Amino acid sequence: AQSVTQPDIHITVSEGASLELRCNYSYGATPYLFWYVQSPGQGLQLLLKYFSGDTLVQGIKGFEAEFKRSQSSFNLRKPSVHWSDAAEYFCAVGAKGDDKIIFGKGTRLHILP
Amino acid sequence: DGGITQSPKYLFRKEGQNVTLSCEQNLNHDAMYWYRQDPGQGLRLIYYSQIVNDFQKGDIAEGYSVSREKKESFPLTVTSAQKNPTAFYLCASSVYRGWGGANVLTFGAGSRLTVL
Repeated sequence: AQSVTQPDIHITVSEGASLELRCNYSYGATPYLFWYVQSPGQGLQLLLKYFSGDTLVQGIKGFEAEFKRSQSSFNLRKPSVHWSDAAEYFCAVGAKGDDKIIFGKGTRLHILP
Repeated sequence: DGGITQSPKYLFRKEGQNVTLSCEQNLNHDAMYWYRQDPGQGLRLIYYSQIVNDFQKGDIAEGYSVSREKKESFPLTVTSAQKNPTAFYLCASSVYRGWGGANVLTFGAGSRLTVL
């Protein structure tokens, strides 16, 4: 069965520092991978997605993610975080022909001034 | 602007009562989904629907029911059979790609249900 693991429940970084949020997936077929962000009490917003092609994908708000098939990972990165990036981040996996999108449990990002 | 509207945003219920959460979209999307979110649990799929008058159970469908009479609407009823209904409920929609690709979800703002 497909699954998504986000090993870090909370991460704290200083404003201006770089960020990497980890995501590992388990899926037999070629996965489609997503990162979503959620502000408190709100819905989720798509940051970026990977379907095929270039394994480094660019998203909104200066985020990027790299698909590494050999490591079954899709880590999210940002070179310099802003206080407004404080939120919860979800990695998700889907597949061609599969109706379900499976989400990880999320990583809450805290920003120190 | 196109989007997904969930209502109400906050809902309180007494034990033993059924409640219905509304989800309406004007994106002309084929597929609609209901997820439940609990702290530290991520999003868990309750029900989803690819087309009108058809829907499938997700991973945690027990105690919930849905209908899909119109393309734009996918209401969720939380029944008294749901043992622990207090949660944040998220509705989503997507263009249904079937075998052509994965579905990119657009989410509503959510409804928070509290059982008193």
